[in-house]
Amino acid sequence: KAGVTQTPRYLIKTRGQQVTLSCSPISGHRSVSWYQQTPGQGLQFLFEYFSETQRNKGNFPGRFSGRQFSNSRSEMNVSTLELGDSALYLCASSLTGDGKNIQYFGAGTRLSVL
Amino acid sequence: GQQVMQIPQYQHVQEGEDFTTYCNSSTTLSNIQWYKQRPGGHPVFLIQLVKSGEVKKQKRLTFQFGEAKKNSSLHITATQTTDVGTYFCAGLPRRALTFGSGTRLQVQP
Repeated sequence: KAGVTQTPRYLIKTRGQQVTLSCSPISGHRSVSWYQQTPGQGLQFLFEYFSETQRNKGNFPGRFSGRQFSNSRSEMNVSTLELGDSALYLCASSLTGDGKNIQYFGAGTRLSVL
Repeated sequence: GQQVMQIPQYQHVQEGEDFTTYCNSSTTLSNIQWYKQRPGGHPVFLIQLVKSGEVKKQKRLTFQFGEAKKNSSLHITATQTTDVGTYFCAGLPRRALTFGSGTRLQVQP
């Protein structure tokens, strides 16, 4: 069974631009969660999608948005990039996403904002 | 704010020494999960604890869930260089799985 796939692996953008990251979950998994990881800040929860609906949302500004498609693939968008958005963005898929199932992480997208 | 706290943030041990990381929540957790992230890698699931007072072992790793389901610990006996990485706990205080800040373990050969 294929794992969680995130594309692209690396991105370099400049301030003010926008970016879209993609995540393909494990086949059969209906929940996709997104996290931002920066040194010293651990894993900060962005949002979780289940069956194309945003089910939970973390404390991030509205510049961070996402969506999930009918095949469970998910995208995350960040508009008007700021220097502080430089981070590793991880997505994780799970069967039902209720916190009781294992979360399988992708390798992440490393975003650098210049 | 962060509802699941983890200590210490960093620990450096000599190979063969023991290591423990602690996870504390201000609210009762329905379950606790532990993940390991190797340097340059992504978090990988280690174990899940569900019952109050539960103890589980995986070779040299021992995981405990507190009686009040508000704290947990991971203990590694006789560390090896392969144990290097960051260990995260994750709990469900509300609706979304909340990760602790992680404990970075460095093992000196």
